[in-house]
Amino acid sequence: EPEVTQTPSHQVTQMGQEVILRCVPISNHLYFYWYRQILGQKVEFLVSFYNNEISEKSEIFDDQFSVERPDGSNFTLKIRSTKLEDSAMYFCASSPRQGGQETQYFGPGTRLLVL
Amino acid sequence: GQNIDQPTEMTATEGAIVQINCTYQTSGFNGLFWYQQHAGEAPTFLSYNVLDGLEEKGRFSSFLSRSKGYSYLLLKELQMKDSASYLCAVRDSDTDKLIFGTGTRLQVFP
Repeated sequence: EPEVTQTPSHQVTQMGQEVILRCVPISNHLYFYWYRQILGQKVEFLVSFYNNEISEKSEIFDDQFSVERPDGSNFTLKIRSTKLEDSAMYFCASSPRQGGQETQYFGPGTRLLVL
Repeated sequence: GQNIDQPTEMTATEGAIVQINCTYQTSGFNGLFWYQQHAGEAPTFLSYNVLDGLEEKGRFSSFLSRSKGYSYLLLKELQMKDSASYLCAVRDSDTDKLIFGTGTRLQVFP
């Protein structure tokens, strides 16, 4: 069964460094998302992406964050200058279409630790 | 505003039935999802409701009342492997983003 994949599974970085989190969505999906989950807290929406542009972003997704679909398969989240409070699990999700019974399929996540 | 409430923790015995409630107040609504999440893992899809009523899927059922802003997930014949967090999420009607509750951590005891 096709699945969303993410790399790396874990990333440790120093405060102020840039990180790029990578995702490969399910191949025929058109809608892509990033969510994050701080340890012990709820899953929070960051950004949605369709047709090579951002369709929606949350207040968390400030100018330190960016997303890109550099080729036909990868979908990346970049944090330019990490802060301690960026430590969280970051989930990529994809969906073949909007609405209806289609759920968003989540990847296994990247656990980011900022020291 | 957006608000989704679930109990924080529940316990149950293997073989029993448990009901996890979710109430929501959101500015838009285009369906309610239940996900299962084991510790340190991704949420996995369990069920979807957009119309009022009960949806049954094997040992899992989910109910929705849109007028009351209420849903529940019913788990029957509980197994030890059902110990996990159960996340209620509402899909926003304008943006399609999922708005999650804090999740209910279910522990199943033998």
